[in-house]
Order: sequence, then structure tokens, then C-alpha cells
Amino acid sequence: DVKVTQSSRYLVKRTGEKVFLECVQDMDHENMFWYRQDPGLGLRLIYFSYDVKMKEKGDIPEGYSVSREKKERFSLILESASTNQTSMYLCASTKAGPGGTTEAFFGQGTRLTVV
Amino acid sequence: GEDVEQSLFLSVREGDSSVINCTYTDSSSTYLYWYKQEPGAGLQLLTYIFSNMDMKQDQRLTVLLNKKDKHLSLRIADTQTGDSAIYFCAERDSGYSTLTFGKGTMLLVSP
Repeated sequence: DVKVTQSSRYLVKRTGEKVFLECVQDMDHENMFWYRQDPGLGLRLIYFSYDVKMKEKGDIPEGYSVSREKKERFSLILESASTNQTSMYLCASTKAGPGGTTEAFFGQGTRLTVV
Repeated sequence: GEDVEQSLFLSVREGDSSVINCTYTDSSSTYLYWYKQEPGAGLQLLTYIFSNMDMKQDQRLTVLLNKKDKHLSLRIADTQTGDSAIYFCAERDSGYSTLTFGKGTMLLVSP
């Protein structure tokens, strides 16, 4: 009954590498989000997408880009990974529209370490 | 921009009630949420409250909303060791349905 799936639970990459974090949801949700979670800082929004090929910057987009070629898939890209991007990355999705509670469903998270 | 504040840590004994508090700034928030995160896991929705409600009860959970003061609280009755987790308060904007989260309150329940 998995609804939001992130491709990796743990990832170790070298400084300067290009890193792809993948997220897939099976609920036909319009909105998808990438957050990073750091101790004492909570969840900070990196990017979100409200439709295929659409993207909006969140609070901390620097050093990241995203891709949404299909409705169910939202990718986070680190063009050149740096050690300060070591973090837990969480993907989420919600249904669009003003009605309903718009519950956000989260993936299990990807713990990325950049060495 | 929106801001959500909550205390970072709460420690209680098993069987006691826990109260986690949250303040927010966006007066146009439509829904307010409480999420729970257990170690090594993603976030799971615990409960939510619509902005025109004052209170919502769901088994051991009671949510109180003071819209005038923009204050939200989560009360957990008869707290158990399995309730130990990080609890996030979040508000939903009226546009793209983005959620703004607080920094999370770590609840530690001791036997």
C-alpha cells in the first residue's frame, strides 16, 4: 500500500558528482514536492511542481533543479553535489484544488551523504 | 512569508498527557495539520483541523485552534512510549496547496 516511493533510502556520493533523486507516486496527484530535513531546521521546501513540466522554487532552491516529465514522477537533481547538501530528502505529493484536506503523503526519505 | 514556530523538545512520563504547541503567521491558512515522524521514516499525517473549527478530537488526540492568536496545540492523552517521535505542525496555503512546516517537536516518553 506504498503510495510515494523514493528510489533510494541511503546514498553516498562524492563532491562534484551529479546526483538524481527520484520520486514516484501512484495516487494521480497533481502536486509534488521536494523537502530537505536537517536537525533543528525542520523541513524546508526546495522545489515543487503543480503539473507536468511545471516547477516552482521553494525556500531553498540554490544548488538544485527538478524535472517533472510525467505526472507520477518528480526528480530532484544536484548538478554538482557539495558537502553542505548532505541531508535527508523527503518527497511528498498532494491533490490539487481547494476542496478536501489536501493531505500530503510522504515518501520514506533518502539520506544523502556527500563526501 | 508564512512562518510556523514550535518548541523543539518535550519530555513526559508514560501515562501523562502531552501538549505540543505551535504558532503560525498566515491568517489565510485553510487547514492546519499535525504530522508524526518516527525514527528513519517519512512523515505520517496524524490529524488536521479546518480553520473554522476550534477543536477536534480523535481518540487520544485533541487539537485546539485559537485562530485569533494563531495558536494550535496537540494534546495526546495517556502518552505511551510508542508516541515518542518528532511532531510537526504545518499550515496549508490557499494557492498551490503547499504546506509550511514548523521545525518539529521531539517528544520523548519515558517509562
